[in-house]
Amino acid sequence: SSELTQDPAVSVALGQTVRITCQGDSLRSYYASWYQQKPGQAPVLVIYGKNNRPSGIPDRFSGSSSGNTASLTITGAQAEDEADYYCNSRDSSGNHQFGGGTKLTVL
Amino acid sequence: QVQLQESGPGLVKPSQTLSLTCTVSGGSISSGSYYWSWIRQPAGKGLEWIGRIYTSGSTNYNPSLKSRVTISVDTSKNQFSLKLSSVTAADTAVYYCARADSGEDAFDIWGQGTMVTVSS
Repeated sequence: SSELTQDPAVSVALGQTVRITCQGDSLRSYYASWYQQKPGQAPVLVIYGKNNRPSGIPDRFSGSSSGNTASLTITGAQAEDEADYYCNSRDSSGNHQFGGGTKLTVL
Repeated sequence: QVQLQESGPGLVKPSQTLSLTCTVSGGSISSGSYYWSWIRQPAGKGLEWIGRIYTSGSTNYNPSLKSRVTISVDTSKNQFSLKLSSVTAADTAVYYCARADSGEDAFDIWGQGTMVTVSS
């Protein structure tokens, strides 16, 4: 099955912009979705499709994709954005896979 | 709004079958174009997709678990279920149920998760 690769950890200064990336062959054909997970909580969908945010997700979260790479960008990171972020996509068989996750630290 | 709630034993013995149920409230499991998934997360590790089911009964499973997994749906009870056979300590994890829109393939609603420990 295809795999999705994420950097294990990324840091950003408060108020600055950070991009979290996800690489995988399935991303050439299918959009990634992105999930934020804080300790002890269930994941929350933050970005899906071309660049869609569910209701209640701040507009500082955005998504993009090029080739085999999907990106989640946080413009003006806030302290409350510190969390683990996971990408996910499906493949042509309908199976899903998650990236290994990126731990975001806001300095 | 739709909510999901996992239920089932928190402790399962090695070699036995893990059984969990996800109850959908606030809406019908059969309405809209959705599919229903199980996802798990061992302590301190990442998310692993286990499989999905449509209310038609059509399923997809993670190839690495396929030989041990069965997901079923009971529309009359507004529930879907997970069975994982021949469990080992490696199956110890928080198990989540989640809903995905079949057009967007994104998990928009998640249960709170239930911890399952495999131990004798």
